[in-house]
Amino acid sequence: TQLLEQSPQFLSIQEGENLTVYCNSSSVFSSLQWYRQEPGEGPVLLVTVVTGGEVKKLKRLTFQFGDARKDSSLHITAAQPGDTGLYLCAGAGTYKYIFGTGTRLKVLA
Amino acid sequence: EAQVTQNPRYLITVTGKKLTVTCSQNMNHEYMSWYRQDPGLGLRQIYYSMNVEVTDKGDVPEGYKVSRKEKRNFPLILESPSPNQTSLYFCASSWRGNEKLFFGSGTQLSVL
Repeated sequence: TQLLEQSPQFLSIQEGENLTVYCNSSSVFSSLQWYRQEPGEGPVLLVTVVTGGEVKKLKRLTFQFGDARKDSSLHITAAQPGDTGLYLCAGAGTYKYIFGTGTRLKVLA
Repeated sequence: EAQVTQNPRYLITVTGKKLTVTCSQNMNHEYMSWYRQDPGLGLRQIYYSMNVEVTDKGDVPEGYKVSRKEKRNFPLILESPSPNQTSLYFCASSWRGNEKLFFGSGTQLSVL
């Protein structure tokens, strides 16, 4: 069974701080996606990384796919209260998606 | 507006009483799937469908049924719900099954 482990599980930081969330697996994925979920809503895609070593930036968010395509990280620079939410990584295969357990981020003003 | 619509948003039922959660998408997506979300366990795939009349089991299919008679609809059926099926359920769709997933807003189910 493929598993995706995310760390940390919970993170509470002050506005303006930087943070990194990790997503690790023993399996290789053809692509890895990052979603953000807010209370009462379904997850919304932030980014998809496909190539080993790939780095993608979305404003203050930087996503990296590991060289071996088994792990990924999400780095947020100068976090803001609007970044608060549940961050999920997901490994995508053919028709099957394996989701990580999530990182619940709270950014305090 | 492109969307995935689930109904109902909240459902309280009793053990053994059959129920159906509906899911509909208006994006002409071939792929649809169901997930349950439980604290500490993340999202787990229940069933998925690659196209009309084609469905397959995900990681936690026991106690659930699905059907895909039309491209836009993918209902989740619990024939005899049990308390361990109390969870937050999400329907999602994508073009072909390995791309961006579009999620519904969720159905919070409580089985007493």
